[in-house]
Amino acid sequence: GENVEQHPSTLSVQEGDSAVIKCTYSDSASNYFPWYKQELGKRPQLIIDIRSNVGEKKDQRIAVTLNKTAKHFSLHITETQPEDSAVYFCAASMGETSGSRLTFGEGTQLTVNP
Amino acid sequence: GAVVSQHPSWVICKSGTSVKIECRSLDFQATTMFWYRQFPKQSLMLMATSNEGSKATYEQGVEKDKFLINHASLTLSTLTVTSAHPEDSSFYICSALRDSLRNEQFFGPGTRLTVL
Repeated sequence: GENVEQHPSTLSVQEGDSAVIKCTYSDSASNYFPWYKQELGKRPQLIIDIRSNVGEKKDQRIAVTLNKTAKHFSLHITETQPEDSAVYFCAASMGETSGSRLTFGEGTQLTVNP
Repeated sequence: GAVVSQHPSWVICKSGTSVKIECRSLDFQATTMFWYRQFPKQSLMLMATSNEGSKATYEQGVEKDKFLINHASLTLSTLTVTSAHPEDSSFYICSALRDSLRNEQFFGPGTRLTVL
């Protein structure tokens, strides 16, 4: 099955700096890559996603890049704010081929220091 | 739109009892729902895929007789933890696939289960 690895496990940045979280996946058939933000005790919230037919997607301060050849994708957060502090999870899915099941990375605890 | 609810939000039970958790898609139909378990400071681990009108598909290592899943309608899936033990204490989260948008999963708020 699919295996997703995520790095780093913890990331601390100063307010205003950029944060980058990286994930690799194992199955080249994966074609959908969402990123979730989860605050303590809350549900995961989709913040951005990318499909395998594009290499980059941006939404205000958040961007995701995908390298299908290398099988890795990254989350970029610019101009970080204290409210960005949370656990971020990447995930991969093979779409309908796998019943749209998601395989999650281990998570990154992001702390933005004021 | 695309709201998913879970009930209860938290539950405390004695060891050996059974607990039922409900997952509802409030404003869309969901033929497929998923059940995850999340231990503290860990990732979401898929337990099973719930399909309306058919048997659930369980991930490797998940006991189907212990975690009973029923998906009787297009908006409701239930997870019953039978004969719960302290090691079953966890955060259980469901998600639903909107039938008209097959890739994105919409997550419920989770249920915190504590087994004494």
